[in-house]
Amino acid sequence: GENVEQHPSTLSVQEGDSAVIKCTYSDSASNYFPWYKQELGKGPQLIIDIRSNVGEKKDQRIAVTLNKTAKHFSLHITETQPEDSAVYFCAASPIQGAQKLVFGQGTRLTINP
Amino acid sequence: KAGVTQTPRYLIKTRGQQVTLSCSPISGHRSVSWYQQTPGQGLQFLFEYFSETQRNKGNFPGRFSGRQFSNSRSEMNVSTLELGDSALYLCASSLNVGSGNTIYFGEGSWLTVV
Repeated sequence: GENVEQHPSTLSVQEGDSAVIKCTYSDSASNYFPWYKQELGKGPQLIIDIRSNVGEKKDQRIAVTLNKTAKHFSLHITETQPEDSAVYFCAASPIQGAQKLVFGQGTRLTINP
Repeated sequence: KAGVTQTPRYLIKTRGQQVTLSCSPISGHRSVSWYQQTPGQGLQFLFEYFSETQRNKGNFPGRFSGRQFSNSRSEMNVSTLELGDSALYLCASSLNVGSGNTIYFGEGSWLTVV
């Protein structure tokens, strides 16, 4: 089945710097790749997603890139702010037409003021 | 527009008991899925429902079950609770089935088994 690897597990950056989180997936049939932000005591919040027919997507300070050949995708956060501190999860959807997501292990991002 | 609503938010149960968790999807959403989140195993898919039918099931024992009602609301049940069932149970909804439907999560139900 699908396996998603996420790196790094922890990331600490200075406020205003950029943060990059990387994920690789194993199932070439996966076609949908969302990113979620989870704050303490809350459920995962969708921050951006990308579909397999797109190589890059940007939403203000957040961007995601997808390399289908290499089977990896990355989250880029620019001009980081203290409120960006949270755990970030990548996920892949391996079954066509299904709502099943396979998640990475998560990255704890800390923004230092 | 209200998000995915889960009840109860917190509960404590004793080993051997059973528990039922409820989920109301975003208005108009017809697909509901459930996930278990633990520190050790991360986020794991439990099952997915659409039009009151289970479409996919994760690798969990038969003690974990669910259902969906005609109004798209969903419940999941865990019978004969074990200590290892302590987790955050998350419900998610999407508008429809089909590749790439955006999936939104609720705040979760925190289950502690003692």
